[in-house]
Amino acid sequence: DIQMTQSPSSLSASVGDRVTITCQASQDISIYLNWYQQKPGKAPKLLIYEASKLEPGVPSRFSGSGSGTDFSFTISSLQPEDIATYYCQQFENLPLSFGGGTKVEVK
Amino acid sequence: QVQLVESGGGVVQPGGSLRLSCATSGFTFKFYGIHWVRQAPAKGLEWVAFIRYDGNFQYYSDSVEGRFSISRDKSENTVYLQMNDLRAEDTALYYCAKDKFGGPDSGGYVFDYWGQGTLVTVSS
Repeated sequence: DIQMTQSPSSLSASVGDRVTITCQASQDISIYLNWYQQKPGKAPKLLIYEASKLEPGVPSRFSGSGSGTDFSFTISSLQPEDIATYYCQQFENLPLSFGGGTKVEVK
Repeated sequence: QVQLVESGGGVVQPGGSLRLSCATSGFTFKFYGIHWVRQAPAKGLEWVAFIRYDGNFQYYSDSVEGRFSISRDKSENTVYLQMNDLRAEDTALYYCAKDKFGGPDSGGYVFDYWGQGTLVTVSS
């Protein structure tokens, strides 16, 4: 099974800051990685799929990159509404697996 | 618009059973795979089970293999998760989620729509 290691587990940043989250797979997953946003009390929402493709309707300040085992997710200019927990998810192989999550807070 | 609505959660004793339902609308049900994903209280997301668009392939996480069974009813546009031999560690909010890509040549397991979840509590 593929393990996903996400870091950091939490971060605090100011509005307007650039925020980056990383996700590392335990084996090569090519570009088969997605990123989700989960706000408190809500279901997760797809932001990025196949490592770098922006889901329609998602603001362009969100972006993703990487391939193989190392991936990153970036918010170019943090907004107050971006307060949430972010998860990566691999789909190179079943069983599917998520990273542990990164809780993003605003200073 | 696409909707997924879970139901069937509740409180059950260890060793008991529950059947969750995921009623869908707003898309062509027969073309898309459906997943169950759970989230224990204050914890992260855990993928649980998948059923292919045609119902002919199912896959489970190791933690539920042999205890849970996923099925789908195309006449009702509904996916079910039969959960047997429930344990305290199965306590979670259970979401169903739809694959973004459909059909036999779909691009993989990307969850583009989710329900709001149904809570399962296993406790004596």
